Amino acid sequence: QLQLQESGSGLVKPSQTLSLTCAVSGVSISSDTYSWSWIRQPPGKGLEWIGYIYHTGSTYYNPSLESRVTMSVDRSKNHFSLKLKSVTAADTAVYYCASGETWIPFGSWGQGTLVTVSS
Amino acid sequence: DIQMTQSPSSLSASVGDRVTITCQASQDISNYLNWYQQKPGKAPKLLIYDASNLQTGVPSRFSGSGSGTDFTFTISSLQPEDLATYYCLQYDNLPYTFGQGTKLEI
Repeated sequence: QLQLQESGSGLVKPSQTLSLTCAVSGVSISSDTYSWSWIRQPPGKGLEWIGYIYHTGSTYYNPSLESRVTMSVDRSKNHFSLKLKSVTAADTAVYYCASGETWIPFGSWGQGTLVTVSS
Repeated sequence: DIQMTQSPSSLSASVGDRVTITCQASQDISNYLNWYQQKPGKAPKLLIYDASNLQTGVPSRFSGSGSGTDFTFTISSLQPEDLATYYCLQYDNLPYTFGQGTKLEI
């Protein structure tokens, strides 16, 4: 049973870098079957896909955030990470990690973690 | 980016009702569409993939149909536990894009 768990700072100051990690259990992050994504949801609003990464390090970032986003994979720890730089209040959201299996995206989700951008 | 237009944005229905939500894509996405259910305070859950395939373990009262640009999600007999917001997602083109959501009230 694939499980995902986000962790990281819940409070980030404006202009600083948001950093989150998603721990994967139940499957190897090195499997070619899976992609690993980040999705966010501002309070009371809809879902926005941030991007994905494969275990090879291959990435795709949403053009709306591409200039500020970096994703990485740590195969030894079976986790993947998100960094979002130069944050503003508009980046306040619940951040979810999710997995895609073969061609089907976002079949499994973490519980989400709220990140607030405030001084 | 492909725009996904969901309607209605909110819906009030009664237990036992048949409920239908639609999603329209701004261009042909074949059948590359998922439907998700998000209960309050929880992560979204995949219900339907490839427009019409029921995810394992999802009750059969949920169904999806459509291809190209027009898609429909149906709950055949609404249950109290179906209180949630429902989202469509297209994955034909990058970036993947969600509909704006339909809030279902019972």
